[in-house]
Amino acid sequence: ETGVTQTPRHLVMGMTNKKSLKCEQHLGHNAMYWYKQSAKKPLELMFVYSLEERVENNSVPSRFSPECPNSSHLFLHLHTLQPEDSALYLCASSQDIGTGNQPQHFGDGTRLSIL
Amino acid sequence: AQKITQTQPGMFVQEKEAVTLDCTYDTSDPSYGLFWYKQPSSGEMIFLIYQGSYDQQNATEGRYSLNFQKARKSANLVISASQLGDSAMYFCAMREVLVTGNQFYFGTGTSLTVIP
Repeated sequence: ETGVTQTPRHLVMGMTNKKSLKCEQHLGHNAMYWYKQSAKKPLELMFVYSLEERVENNSVPSRFSPECPNSSHLFLHLHTLQPEDSALYLCASSQDIGTGNQPQHFGDGTRLSIL
Repeated sequence: AQKITQTQPGMFVQEKEAVTLDCTYDTSDPSYGLFWYKQPSSGEMIFLIYQGSYDQQNATEGRYSLNFQKARKSANLVISASQLGDSAMYFCAMREVLVTGNQFYFGTGTSLTVIP
């Protein structure tokens, strides 16, 4: 039990579908993150939220749309995805941002496959 | 330039022996943190150990220790008395505090296989 729960664990969707990934953290943290993990590449930071405000958007295509309704929940809305978007999407949280010794706690990830 | 470099794509170790996973980093920030994570085949990333740039002593957590050589900018993970359950991907990561407080940088990982 990591304290960060992601649903669904697996998702297969067509390029024209719209779906959402959900992340919930039970750790009382103030910062939440979305990462993309593709094979043989470093984790790519996509979005950072601090106290429900987006503070980082690393040139992510607009077909990925994050939402953070409160400090415990983070969503990633997907629409019109491309085959290269198939990857493991990891959610993480940390106590705060900008503090060097705070580890990130990760969820189990959502394995996304685009047909 | 890569912020985090892990040069060993795959490593093998005999059960009960020690193994060192290499990590070098690149930063001009005087204040930073170094982290190691373990990712089993199931996907979750598990935090293992942390080393701060100002820490005088090497970090240790149970069977994990971090060999921190600041001048060489290396932060190798040492796993002692390897167990079969240690087989996983291992990622080195860095957080720069002053330069980019929001960013974690991850390496490409090392796949560790423990042989019975």
